[in-house]
Amino acid sequence: EDQVTQSPEALRLQEGESSSLNCSYTVSGLRGLFWYRQDPGKGPEFLFTLYSAGEEKEKERLKATLTKKESFLHITAPKPEDSATYLCAVAPYGNNRLAFGKGNQVVVIP
Amino acid sequence: GAVVSQHPSWVICKSGTSVKIECRSLDFQATTMFWYRQFPKQSLMLMATSNEGSKATYEQGVEKDKFLINHASLTLSTLTVTSAHPEDSSFYICSSLLNTEAFFGQGTRLTVV
Repeated sequence: EDQVTQSPEALRLQEGESSSLNCSYTVSGLRGLFWYRQDPGKGPEFLFTLYSAGEEKEKERLKATLTKKESFLHITAPKPEDSATYLCAVAPYGNNRLAFGKGNQVVVIP
Repeated sequence: GAVVSQHPSWVICKSGTSVKIECRSLDFQATTMFWYRQFPKQSLMLMATSNEGSKATYEQGVEKDKFLINHASLTLSTLTVTSAHPEDSSFYICSSLLNTEAFFGQGTRLTVV
């Protein structure tokens, strides 16, 4: 069974204090790993797709990396507007269904 | 990215009534639509997968007679919660794929009183 574990569950950061979120996964053949941002009461907003170990993608203060067992979402010099829950999901080969982790709830304090 | 529009964003209904949630793909054709349920501080739980023109595939433990899914066109899928009860109160989210990436609707907060 495909499993996704995200840590830490919750994280409070001072504005400007860089940190990393972890997504550990087990999947029967990885088709893709996805990161989403979810604000309270809203649907997830797509951030990144990573397909193979060693791949990295960046968007503003966010950088996602991938190994064969885990992915990291690095937040560099975060701002209060980066406060959100970050969701990680994996999709196995031959299957369009996504398996989600519980999310990393990030609060950035001014 | 692709746009998936979900409506309504919130609804309050009386116990025993039915509620319909709509999900539209605005700028692409959605052959497949996924319906999720999310409890507070929990992961998204897949309820069912619907394919245009055919019956939905429900996940284990999801009552297909309670959560009716219709995907009659390439741009519209609906989820109807029938005879709703307070335990059905939750956040429901639809999603569709464009190429290999999933895009989500805004979600619907259902409260059954």
